[in-house]
Amino acid sequence: DAKTTQPPSMDCAEGRAANLPCNHSTISGNEYVYWYRQIHSQGPQYIIHGLKNNETNEMASLIITEDRKSSTLILPHATLRDTAVYYCIVRVGEDSNYQLIWGAGTKLIIKP
Amino acid sequence: DAGVTQSPTHLIKTRGQQVTLRCSPKSGHDTVSWYQQALGQGPQFIFQYYEEEERQRGNFPDRFSGHQFPNYSSELNVNALLLGDSALYLCASSLDRGQPQHFGDGTRLSIL
Repeated sequence: DAKTTQPPSMDCAEGRAANLPCNHSTISGNEYVYWYRQIHSQGPQYIIHGLKNNETNEMASLIITEDRKSSTLILPHATLRDTAVYYCIVRVGEDSNYQLIWGAGTKLIIKP
Repeated sequence: DAGVTQSPTHLIKTRGQQVTLRCSPKSGHDTVSWYQQALGQGPQFIFQYYEEEERQRGNFPDRFSGHQFPNYSSELNVNALLLGDSALYLCASSLDRGQPQHFGDGTRLSIL
């Protein structure tokens, strides 16, 4: 069963920041939060992951609440090419032996 | 640097037949995971291979089996195909020790 809850769809204007929320209220202390996105007809693309601290890379920022029950993925300057389904995922298991538990994702539409 | 490659890209089979899907991992990766993605849903974990052994398995029947070769490439076999096996089958590779998984673009399997 999925361990995350996301809104099914969101819109964002091109050039603005896209903020995608995710609830993972049953997450355990050693379980990571991962974000992937999937553009139509392609395989999922890794974006970012984190455990407790906020993380930033060249693609996005990940903000995790102090109680770890929710997180937000931020795309700072959305472009039309960011239109995709975004998956918030809980990684279950140890570094050497883990599973990614996927939910249904959020379809993000970037509008000109 | 080639990413994860899967073959074939599309396949049509009939009920009761058997199918083999193939995956070449990203260069340097030693762990391969397989996922099934039904239309409009997130990927579901089938199993993971490391050092030519099945290390983890999701909630899939024994009709689904796999293999990993010494060069780390992998095959997914499905026997006695059912209509419900129609899906996008994704292969993901990673370097052991918890590194993010990189996905191929999948094989679209249609069962008639």
